[in-house]
Amino acid sequence: NAGVTQTPKFQVLKTGQSMTLQCAQDMNHNSMYWYRQDPGMGLRLIYYSASEGTTDKGEVPNGYNVSRLNKREFSLRLESAAPSQTSVYFCASSYSKSGGSPLHFGNGTRLTVT
Amino acid sequence: DAKTTQPTSMDCAEGRAANLPCNHSTISGNEYVYWYRQIHSQGPQYIIHGLKNNETNEMASLIITEDRKSSTLILPHATLRDTAVYYCIVRGVTGANNLFFGTGTRLTVIP
Repeated sequence: NAGVTQTPKFQVLKTGQSMTLQCAQDMNHNSMYWYRQDPGMGLRLIYYSASEGTTDKGEVPNGYNVSRLNKREFSLRLESAAPSQTSVYFCASSYSKSGGSPLHFGNGTRLTVT
Repeated sequence: DAKTTQPTSMDCAEGRAANLPCNHSTISGNEYVYWYRQIHSQGPQYIIHGLKNNETNEMASLIITEDRKSSTLILPHATLRDTAVYYCIVRGVTGANNLFFGTGTRLTVIP
C-alpha cells in the first residue's frame, strides 16, 4: 500500500514549456486534490476532483488544467510554464470531500521554471 | 472555515510528552479540528482529527475543550523524528474542499 504517489519528484522547465505532473492513489479514495506550496504562503488548492468524472477549480487554478483519468489517477498539466509556477506541488486524496474525511498527501513534485 | 492560532515554535525533550496548543475561538458546531505535520521536504502527514470528543490513535491524542474553542495535540513520547511543523486546521462538514494550513508550530525535539 503505497498511498499517494507523485511523479516526477523533481523537474526543471524553461519558460513556455509544458509538462504533466502525475498522481496515483491506491487507497480506493473518491476525491483527489492538487495543491501548491510556496515559502511563507502555506498550501493553496489548485484543482480538486470530488469524484471520478468531475473536476472543480480551487483557489489558484489559472495556468493549470487537470484530468481525472480514472478513480486512481489525477494529473495536473502546465500548458505554458511561467517562473511564477516555480513551487512544490502536492497531490492528495480522501475517501470523500466531506469535512470528516482526512486528506492524505504525496511527497510532492519540486518544479523550477527558469 | 474558522481560523486558528498556534505558537510559532516550541521545544520538547526527547522522551517527554509534547503538548501543542491551538486556539480556534470562532469554530462553529459542525467544524472538525484537524492536525497535520510536515517534516522538511515531505508532504503533509495526517495525524488526527475530531469533532467534539477527545480522540486517540497510534500517533497522538487530541484533547478538545468543552466549549470547543481550543484544543491540544499530545505526542506522548516525543522522538527526534517528531521534529516538524505542526498545523492545526478547522474544516467544515460540507463544501470542505480546502484545508487552510497557516504557519503552524515548529516543534523541535531536543536530545
